Amino acid sequence: QKEVEQNSGPLSVPEGAIASLNCTYSDRGSQSFFWYRQYSGKSPELIMFIYSNGDKEDGRFTAQLNKASQYVSLLIRDSQPSDSATYLCAVRGSGNTPLVFGKGTRLSVIA
Amino acid sequence: ETGVTQTPRHLVMGMTNKKSLKCEQHLGHNAMYWYKQSAKKPLELMFVYSLEERVENNSVPSRFSPECPNSSHLFLHLHTLQPEDSALYLCASSQGLAGAGETQYFGPGTRLLVL
Repeated sequence: QKEVEQNSGPLSVPEGAIASLNCTYSDRGSQSFFWYRQYSGKSPELIMFIYSNGDKEDGRFTAQLNKASQYVSLLIRDSQPSDSATYLCAVRGSGNTPLVFGKGTRLSVIA
Repeated sequence: ETGVTQTPRHLVMGMTNKKSLKCEQHLGHNAMYWYKQSAKKPLELMFVYSLEERVENNSVPSRFSPECPNSSHLFLHLHTLQPEDSALYLCASSQGLAGAGETQYFGPGTRLLVL
């Protein structure tokens, strides 16, 4: 059973701080990794994807991937109250397989 | 609003009713998905269609019956549901199934309540 693990939170950070969201996965052959944001009552929306080891930056968001440790993270710099949402990590395994999602981490940015 | 639409947005049904959920994607994608999202549980993949053929049935009870008449439309037919089937049902699409960086685009979901 391929698993994706996230701390459910809530993770509370003050406005302007860096929020760090973490995700581990069990399938060592996993190829690509996605971060989705989901506001309460809304459907998930893609923030970033990454498939090479290292960092990938997009605006205030940075995804970090370490395949040896089977670990992917999302950093949000200068956190804003509007970033308060549940962040879902999703992993695509080896071969022609659909995404497997984690349960999500609830982030709360305090003004 | 995204390129994936779902109707209805909200549905209340009794356990003896039959209803259908509809999904339409306007993105020219070849793969479509049904997910179930319940409180405090991860997104659960239910069905996957690629080029109108079902390629994944994730141990879903037979009271859920998918239909994909063409690559733009996906239905989920519901009959004799149970209260524990109450959840948010999300449709998604992607260009294909394989390849690193393949992105799924989600519809707004149908909030289902089974009484």
